[in-house]
Amino acid sequence: GIQVEQSPPDLILQEGANSTLRCNFSDSVNNLQWFHQNPWGQLINLFYIPSGTKQNGRLSATTVATERYSLLYISSSQTTDSGVYFCAVEPYTGGFKTIFGAGTRLFVKA
Amino acid sequence: GAGVSQSPSNKVTEKGKDVELRCDPISGHTALYWYRQSLGQGLEFLIYFQGNSAPDKSGLPSDRFSAERTGGSVSTLTIQRTQQEDSAVYLCASSDSGSVPYEQYFGPGTRLTVT
Repeated sequence: GIQVEQSPPDLILQEGANSTLRCNFSDSVNNLQWFHQNPWGQLINLFYIPSGTKQNGRLSATTVATERYSLLYISSSQTTDSGVYFCAVEPYTGGFKTIFGAGTRLFVKA
Repeated sequence: GAGVSQSPSNKVTEKGKDVELRCDPISGHTALYWYRQSLGQGLEFLIYFQGNSAPDKSGLPSDRFSAERTGGSVSTLTIQRTQQEDSAVYLCASSDSGSVPYEQYFGPGTRLTVT
């Protein structure tokens, strides 16, 4: 089945720094989403981005479907950005099974 | 409007007992997913419902797991004869395949502990 790899696995930033999180996937996908899981466990939608580029405030994302990767950019990081960032894909030939990456655990220091 | 809700928020049960977990999706959402997240891990797909179509059960780990969705709305995930390895957070998500397809919105989860 499809493999979804996220990097880096862990990231520590000083408040105000920028970062790029990466999601590689091994096969064609219908859909791709980025989520933030806050320290209380709630999963929050960031982007639905099977292709192209989107921006929302300090966050932006780019998916290059033909090269099978997506990037999540966090600018001017804040302590509230801490948590785990997940990439999730719906494989093109996988029915409705959504596959999550293992996540990037981010800690932003004040 | 109201988001996805799940109940109970926490459940402690003894090994061998059956448990039922409930999910109320966002009103009008036709698609509903169940996932399992073990401690410190990513999410594992369990089952998917879409309208009146046959569910995609390909992620259910064993025949002790089953799920129903009544009237196209509320869903119940049932685990029979629970085992310690079933301990995890069980998450439900719903999506409105009529607008932004497949954008999933998650509930707060049910934390299951099997003793």
